[in-house]
Amino acid sequence: DTGVSQNPRHKITKRGQNVTFRCDPISEHNRLYWYRQTLGQGPEFLTYFQNEAQLEKSRLLSDRFSAERPKGSFSTLEIQRTEQGDSAMYLCASSLDGTGYTEAFFGQGTRLTVV
Amino acid sequence: GESVGLHLPTLSVQEGDNSIINCAYSNSASDYFIWYKQESGKGPQFIIDIRSNMDKRQGQRVTVLLNKTVKHLSLQIAATQPGDSAVYFCAENIPGGYALNFGKGTSLLVTP
Repeated sequence: DTGVSQNPRHKITKRGQNVTFRCDPISEHNRLYWYRQTLGQGPEFLTYFQNEAQLEKSRLLSDRFSAERPKGSFSTLEIQRTEQGDSAMYLCASSLDGTGYTEAFFGQGTRLTVV
Repeated sequence: GESVGLHLPTLSVQEGDNSIINCAYSNSASDYFIWYKQESGKGPQFIIDIRSNMDKRQGQRVTVLLNKTVKHLSLQIAATQPGDSAVYFCAENIPGGYALNFGKGTSLLVTP
């Protein structure tokens, strides 16, 4: 499978705990994105990486959220001190480098439930 | 603020008919638009995209039309099949950045 891979697929955690998700993009894709999607809504942009550089962050990315892409390949998204409002599907996408926007391919997502 | 939205939240069509899903956008500076299909429990799946220098683009059984004058985007699916049942999202690229601004989605139900 050469698509975007996300792990774990599901995560249930207690409020106040920290969680970390992993995204492995399509191998030749330099661009990587994180989105959050709540039930019945479209995905909401969180952050964007160009190789290892985090170039864009949404105001949705509070100080409890941190994303990294240390070697320009896989990325991690960590949520500290989780709250019930963090329950959502966390989606990762990747795309090729190019002029302007290039089509992004999404992974299957990590569904987070905070209890 | 400016946003992407959809005219119809749900659409029911019979198998074999053509489907048209509409989307309105308000950011006249947007230069890239994309349609995704999302099945329950899965990530969005790319269908087709179009840049603002085009009015129409065709794929396999799908056509996207862009009307910049009225800021309208549509997705046409020919000979709709049960496997096309899903939620469809349009999205626009926010100018100056790499984020996609998604609408709320239209649920397409294909009945036999």
